Amino acid sequence: KAGVTQTPRYLIKTRGQQVTLSCSPISGHRSVSWYQQTPGQGLQFLFEYFSETQRNKGNFPGRFSGRQFSNSRSEMNVSTLELGDSALYLCASTISGSGSTDTQYFGPGTRLTVL
Amino acid sequence: AQSVSQHNHHVILSEAASLELGCNYSYGGTVNLFWYVQYPGQHLQLLLKYFSGDPLVKGIKGFEAEFIKSKFSFNLRKPSVQWSDTAEYFCAVIVYNQGGKLIFGQGTELSVKP
Repeated sequence: KAGVTQTPRYLIKTRGQQVTLSCSPISGHRSVSWYQQTPGQGLQFLFEYFSETQRNKGNFPGRFSGRQFSNSRSEMNVSTLELGDSALYLCASTISGSGSTDTQYFGPGTRLTVL
Repeated sequence: AQSVSQHNHHVILSEAASLELGCNYSYGGTVNLFWYVQYPGQHLQLLLKYFSGDPLVKGIKGFEAEFIKSKFSFNLRKPSVQWSDTAEYFCAVIVYNQGGKLIFGQGTELSVKP
């Protein structure tokens, strides 16, 4: 069974632009979570989606948004990019919507560089 | 707010040495606990997890962790490390019944010298 896939793997943008990242969960998985990984702040939760609904949101500004489609694939969008948004963005999927009792399986991430 | 603290930022060991990585969390209610590993150039992988039952849990590659509720700790151990264990290790918690928000510690970078 294929793992979590994320596209693109690498992205370079300039300040002020917007970006959309994509995540395809493991087949049969229905919940997707997004995390930001930076050397300074470590791994921080962005949001969680289940059945096309945002179930949880982290402490990030409104420039960060996401959505989930009926096939469980998810996208996250960052508008008006800032230099501090440079990070590895990780997506994780779980098989069900039980949330806290699921194991999250991570994708390889999208490396975003903002110039 | 809940938080996770990993005591060691960088640990350097020789092969065959024993490993213990500390992890403490701050939350008074029920949590589920995880250790993830990130090998160089690879994605995060689950090492082990604790939801309930025996507080000593065994994971992949000879790792184990012990949950001590009174100390809010979930330390990771391995009796004898190998060069291939060189990686970054993350402790994480989820608050029970509050969805899938993983709260991660800052990570511990482990370097094993051959």
